[in-house]
Amino acid sequence: EVQLVESGGGLVQPGGSLRLSCAASGFTFSDHYMDWVRQAPGKGLEWVGRARNKANSYTTEYAASVKGRFTISRDDSKNSLYLQMNSLKTEDTAVYYCASVAAGYWGQGILVTVSS
Amino acid sequence: SYELTQPPSVSVSPGQTARITCSGDALPKKYAYWYQQKSGQAPVLVIYEDSKRPSGIPERFSGSASGTMATLTISGAQVEDEADYYCYSTDSSGNVVVFGGGTKLTVL
Repeated sequence: EVQLVESGGGLVQPGGSLRLSCAASGFTFSDHYMDWVRQAPGKGLEWVGRARNKANSYTTEYAASVKGRFTISRDDSKNSLYLQMNSLKTEDTAVYYCASVAAGYWGQGILVTVSS
Repeated sequence: SYELTQPPSVSVSPGQTARITCSGDALPKKYAYWYQQKSGQAPVLVIYEDSKRPSGIPERFSGSASGTMATLTISGAQVEDEADYYCYSTDSSGNVVVFGGGTKLTVL
C-alpha cells in the first residue's frame, strides 16, 4: 500500500521558517518525481515545486510564488522528501501535500498557518 | 505564466452526462491529468495521460483531448461523484506544473 506521511507543520510567525518532511513507503520512491502541492483554505490546488529523480539529476522546479524562499530536497536512502520554507508570508497558509502527482500518490496533507 | 482554464461549476441531474473542460496552450503537446477531490480529503487521480483510467476508477469516468482542450466526461453521473475536479498538466517546457482552477460538480 502506498503511503505518504507529512510532518512538521504548525503555526509560525510571518518571516519565520518551517521544514516539512514526507515519509514514503509502498512504492519505489527513488524512481519517482516528487511534488509539494498546497491548498489554501477554501481555494484550489496550487503546485509548489518538484524534485526529479536521480536519473534526472535530482533537479528541482518551483512555482513563481515560492521561488527563492522555498527549497525542496529528497533523501532516497530514507525514502523522504523535504520542503524548507523561509521568509514565510500569511498567504503561505495552506494544507501542504506531499505527492507524486503524475503517479497519483498523495499524502493526507499537513496544515501550515502563518500568523502573528 | 502558464494557465489551465476550467469552468467554475457544472451541474447535472443523476444519470446524466457531465463534461468538464480544461483549456491550455500546451495541451496539444502535453498530457492532461484529472483529479477528483471531495470535501476534506486528498485528491484522487481519475484520469491520466489524457484518457487512461487508473485501476479502481469506475468506467463512467473517461477523458479525451483535442487541440488545446482536454475533457473529463462522467457518463451517468452519480450523487457520489459530487466533488471538485482539477486538471493538471505542464507548460511547453515540461518544467512547470500547473493545476486548473477547479470545477465544482453538482449532481442533484
